Amino acid sequence: ETGVTQSPTHLIKTRGQQVTLRCSSQSGHNTVSWYQQALGQGPQFIFQYYREEENGRGNFPPRFSGLQFPNYSSELNVNALELDDSALYLCASSGGKGLASNEQFFGPGTRLTVL
Amino acid sequence: RKEVEQDPGPFNVPEGATVAFNCTYSNSASQSFFWYRQDCRKEPKLLMSVYSSGNEDGRFTAQLNRASQYISLLIRDSKLSDSATYLCVVMDSNYQLIWGAGTKLIIKP
Repeated sequence: ETGVTQSPTHLIKTRGQQVTLRCSSQSGHNTVSWYQQALGQGPQFIFQYYREEENGRGNFPPRFSGLQFPNYSSELNVNALELDDSALYLCASSGGKGLASNEQFFGPGTRLTVL
Repeated sequence: RKEVEQDPGPFNVPEGATVAFNCTYSNSASQSFFWYRQDCRKEPKLLMSVYSSGNEDGRFTAQLNRASQYISLLIRDSKLSDSATYLCVVMDSNYQLIWGAGTKLIIKP
């Protein structure tokens, strides 16, 4: 167990709806990264938060947004859901920005299905 | 061209065989390199970091060739429990992880 938790574990939504996914980082970690993993693909980097500020963003549209709280837990929000948003959403926590964040510890993921 | 490319797989090999995974990356400024393992419907877990000098952990050996921008993973004496998807991961100059699509390994008894 990595100590990283995510909720919910599974979620079914319809096109156009909005969703919020949650992640609690491992104790002592101040960096959270979010990834989208479509079936049969590797994870794709969405964005990273370091001490409550966005610290890098991948090639995802603005309807993907995030937040990090003072306790370093994080949320991923997706607006106007599309069918292609169906994927496993992974959260990973790490100990710090830069080289200190070499090892990322993953939560079990949230499997989102958009109908 | 994808930033990180791996053999498409799947690899079907008998128990006890040696398996080699190959990976190439396109960004010469990449800083760190890793192999992750992902079991079906589970999260990825770090298998090992990859260093220029090469490194070994039991039956697993990883190699990095910066000049060729090539990373490899060798599994010797494969076990049934090695069945999983193996993901090649590169950290770019912004400390972000770039992932290959993974190669699925199936070990047969």
